[in-house]
Amino acid sequence: NAGVTQTPKFQVLKTGQSMTLQCAQDMNHNSMYWYRQDPGMGLRLIYYSASEGTTDKGEVPNGYNVSRLNKREFSLRLESAAPSQTSVYFCASKITVNYGYTFGSGTRLTVV
Amino acid sequence: QKEVEQNSGPLSVPEGAIASLNCTYSDRGSQSFFWYRQYSGKSPELIMFIYSNGDKEDGRFTAQLNKASQYVSLLIRDSQPSDSATYLCAVTQGGSEKLVFGKGTKLTVNP
Repeated sequence: NAGVTQTPKFQVLKTGQSMTLQCAQDMNHNSMYWYRQDPGMGLRLIYYSASEGTTDKGEVPNGYNVSRLNKREFSLRLESAAPSQTSVYFCASKITVNYGYTFGSGTRLTVV
Repeated sequence: QKEVEQNSGPLSVPEGAIASLNCTYSDRGSQSFFWYRQYSGKSPELIMFIYSNGDKEDGRFTAQLNKASQYVSLLIRDSQPSDSATYLCAVTQGGSEKLVFGKGTKLTVNP
């Protein structure tokens, strides 16, 4: 089992460029999440999807959009990247809350 | 936003000692509590979860929960250099399934 797969692993963008971060899980999990991790700030929830076809905002949604394409895939889009979006992005999924999250390996994004 | 507080550390212990990591949370509605370990440059990995007041042991790890005091802790016995990492406390937000994370405590185990 691959678990949670994120692509790309590294990306450098220029201010104003757009990109989509991809996330796929093969564990038949219902819920999927996007977090960003910044030094001194911890993990902060951007968006989540409790089930296929539903998405909701988290703590820091501004500047991002998401799509839950099917049960396996949950993508995060930056429409116009800003330097403040330089971060490490983690996708996670879970089947029920009692078992916690499984995280992907992360995407290190730098916006210059 | 409900808060989860952890001492940022760094916490330094000698090999073989007990490492004690602490976490407090503000949301009295939180139901589930997790400890994640994160090595530098890697993603968080789940090491313990606890739902009921008291202690839960798994190998060298013991999680402790006191809902009245809104306090969660993680004890690592016989600490090894391989335990050197950042430990993240995570708590469910109210009645939801979303996790709120603390900023983490960096642990260094010295040989």
